[in-house]
Amino acid sequence: DVVMTQSPLSLPVTLGQPASISCRSSQSLVHSDGTTYVNWFHQRPGQSPRRLIYKVSKRESGVPDRFSGSGSGTDFTLKISRVEAEDVGLYYCMQGTHWPPLTFGQGTKLEIK
Amino acid sequence: EVQLVESGGGLVQPGGSLRLSCVASGFTLRTYWMGWVRQTPGKRLEWVANIKQDGSEKYYVDSVKGRFTISRDNARNSLYLQMNRLRAEDTGVYYCARGTAHDYWGQGTLVTVSS
Repeated sequence: DVVMTQSPLSLPVTLGQPASISCRSSQSLVHSDGTTYVNWFHQRPGQSPRRLIYKVSKRESGVPDRFSGSGSGTDFTLKISRVEAEDVGLYYCMQGTHWPPLTFGQGTKLEIK
Repeated sequence: EVQLVESGGGLVQPGGSLRLSCVASGFTLRTYWMGWVRQTPGKRLEWVANIKQDGSEKYYVDSVKGRFTISRDNARNSLYLQMNRLRAEDTGVYYCARGTAHDYWGQGTLVTVSS
């Protein structure tokens, strides 16, 4: 099974400052079709997860452009250019290249300093 | 608007059974893989099962194989998860999710396995 390792697990950020979350996989996530299936999700307190990014860097419709995804192979990053209050909560990466099983990172908790 | 609405959760004793349901609206269910994901009390997300559009392929995480069964009724716009021989470690919020890339999630239904 592919293990997804996120860091940091806790991320205190000042409003208006940038934030970055890393996700590393235990093996390359390049599919035989050439696509890399890495998603990022955000879960606000009391809500269900919402997909932000798919296929490493494609932003979901309605997601602010301050969110961006990047990476390749085994290293992936979610960046927020300027953190806003509504960005608090849990962030998860997920791989869909080598499944079953689909696997998630442990989650990163973003909070405002 | 895509909506997924789960139901069927509750408190059950170890060894017991529950059947979760998910009703889909706002899209054509028969054209999508569908799946179940659970969130543990510690907030870890764990994929549980996926089912192909016509139900011909089903996949499960190892920890639920032989105990859980995923199914669907496209005519009723519904997805199901039959959970048997439940264990304490099955406790969590169960979400249905659209596709293998989970682009939409329901609001979740809480399953608590405890004596």
